[in-house]
Amino acid sequence: NAGVTQTPKFRVLKTGQSMTLLCAQDMNHEYMYWYRQDPGMGLRLIHYSVGEGTTAKGEVPDGYNVSRLKKQNFLLGLESAAPSQTSVYFCASSPRQNTEAFFGQGTRLTVV
Amino acid sequence: GESVGLHLPTLSVQEGDNSIINCAYSNSASDYFIWYKQESGKGPQFIIDIRSNMDKRQGQRVTVLLNKTVKHLSLQIAATQPGDSAVYFCAESGNYGGSQGNLIFGKGTKLSVKP
Repeated sequence: NAGVTQTPKFRVLKTGQSMTLLCAQDMNHEYMYWYRQDPGMGLRLIHYSVGEGTTAKGEVPDGYNVSRLKKQNFLLGLESAAPSQTSVYFCASSPRQNTEAFFGQGTRLTVV
Repeated sequence: GESVGLHLPTLSVQEGDNSIINCAYSNSASDYFIWYKQESGKGPQFIIDIRSNMDKRQGQRVTVLLNKTVKHLSLQIAATQPGDSAVYFCAESGNYGGSQGNLIFGKGTKLSVKP
């Protein structure tokens, strides 16, 4: 059972470039999340989804877009990367709200 | 906004001793609390959770205590081992505006275990 898988694991972008981070889960969870983790800041919620075809903004959504076309996948897009988006990105999923979320291994993104 | 904070950013303990990691939360409407362990280069891993209708829950070598009166959460690790060295995060959630049922994380405490 793979759980939550993130692709890629590392990426370096130039300012202004775009990219998409892919998250896949095989647990049939309804809820999926994208967090970013910065030193001393903990994990902050970017966007989340409560089911296929739905998305919602979290705490820090600016500069990101998401899509949930299939229940098992949750994509995070950066249309025009900025150095402030240098971070480690974590995807997570859960069967419902107010319960344990299962995390992927993270994507380390550097924007130069 | 909501805040989930930690009293100590770092904690150093001797192998074999018990560890206590503390967490304060600000929203009395939170009804779910969870502790994660994060090792370097990895994603957060579930340790233990507790709901607001309980004040104590035990797992294998770990205990979570919830004091709703003072909005305080703690994680106790018995007989701390070198493999326990990691960053520990508390998180809270509830059906209120700042959470919407999603986990809100604290900033983390780094636990170092001395051999």
